[in-house]
Amino acid sequence: EVQLQESGPGLVKPSQSLSLTCSVTGYSITSNYWGWIRKFPGNKMEWMGYISYSGSTSYNPSLKSRISITRDTSKNQFFLQLNSVTTEDTATYYCARCLAAIWYFDFWGPGTMVTVSS
Amino acid sequence: DVVLTQTPPTLLATIGQSVSISCRSSQSLLHSNGNTYLNWLLQRTGQSPQPLIYLVSKLESGVPNRFSGSGSGTDFTLKISGVEAEDLGVYYCMQFTHYPWTFGGGTKLELK
Repeated sequence: EVQLQESGPGLVKPSQSLSLTCSVTGYSITSNYWGWIRKFPGNKMEWMGYISYSGSTSYNPSLKSRISITRDTSKNQFFLQLNSVTTEDTATYYCARCLAAIWYFDFWGPGTMVTVSS
Repeated sequence: DVVLTQTPPTLLATIGQSVSISCRSSQSLLHSNGNTYLNWLLQRTGQSPQPLIYLVSKLESGVPNRFSGSGSGTDFTLKISGVEAEDLGVYYCMQFTHYPWTFGGGTKLELK
């Protein structure tokens, strides 16, 4: 079965960069699409971006100048970097698989809470 | 960006009651290829979101058939025919037709 697991620091200082890793088992990231989604305190959810099976990326324009999604196919991992974070980036971050053509996130990681605070 | 408006924001139900959640889009979600990429997810407390329905009405594998989705264009509905305790949590609609992909604001289903 496909499994995803997020990892990274739980606390980041304002103006620094947030870096997370999504480790995937049971499926190759060279197929389909792999996304990052975050949930803010409260219920608001935001799609941040994805990296495709070929390595191409798409980002939410609200983040475009600060976000980068990359991958290491040898380790079957993909990564999120978000620069110049503020307290408004405090959220639970999820990685998920998106099925091409059908277009929905069918497998999700458990999520990792990131707090931006000095 | 496409705005998805979910109502009600909170839904109180008894076990066995049938309930519906509405998701209204600021733009038609009909893609030029003829598909409508509107999905429903459930997030139980302390868990990650799980998919329930994709392409408006197709049930994800393993999801009980008391869940059903319907709608077209800009108006969509998720129905639960007989709420069970395991159905409690926050429901989201999400669209993939237009970039950026967007979520509804969520509907919290609680026991009355």
